[in-house]
Amino acid sequence: NAGVTQTPKFQVLKTGQSMTLQCAQDMNHNSMYWYRQDPGMGLRLIYYSASEGTTDKGEVPNGYNVSRLNKREFSLRLESAAPSQTSVYFCASSELTEAFFGQGTRLTVV
Amino acid sequence: GQQLNQSPQSMFIQEGEDVSMNCTSSSIFNTWLWYKQDPGEGPVLLIALYKAGELTSNGRLTAQFGITRKDSFLNISASIPSDVGIYFCAGQLKLAPRSGSARQLTFGSGTQLTVLP
Repeated sequence: NAGVTQTPKFQVLKTGQSMTLQCAQDMNHNSMYWYRQDPGMGLRLIYYSASEGTTDKGEVPNGYNVSRLNKREFSLRLESAAPSQTSVYFCASSELTEAFFGQGTRLTVV
Repeated sequence: GQQLNQSPQSMFIQEGEDVSMNCTSSSIFNTWLWYKQDPGEGPVLLIALYKAGELTSNGRLTAQFGITRKDSFLNISASIPSDVGIYFCAGQLKLAPRSGSARQLTFGSGTQLTVLP
């Protein structure tokens, strides 16, 4: 019962570096999401994928790109990391109402 | 974008006490959800509410979907130490236009609950 698995759990980047956050779900869900969580602000939607082959912007997409590699996997890429992207990133998947979240990736950009 | 106002921001209570927290919005939502987040973990769904006026319980938790569809509250009765964590409300809308089954969650800023022995 893995659910939603994110890697890595922790990452430190220098400003301008790039990286990809990986996410995989084993629940056969159509929809997948990337959120970021900042202190006192709840979770905000970065990008989502309603189904395999589609991706759309959420509330805060600037500075990010995504790829829905197949039904299981949805990756988030930072092409040129900035300190403002220091945050905890959560991947989630859903089939209608209930969204299941991964354990998060804590990213620090210095 | 839509905003949810969640209060209180933090609570310190004695074990055994009841707790109440609420969320209000300027927008209407189709569904209200309450999540709990433990340290180092992702949010976990506690209760989902689908209809205006709906009152739903899950063990010691009770939540209501406001009649105007713009608010919701969560009550926890007889708190225990494992209730410690951050509680989030979330309003849900269907994403458009080609959203399929995708749903957008708008989260409140969270209520940090501390239970004192």
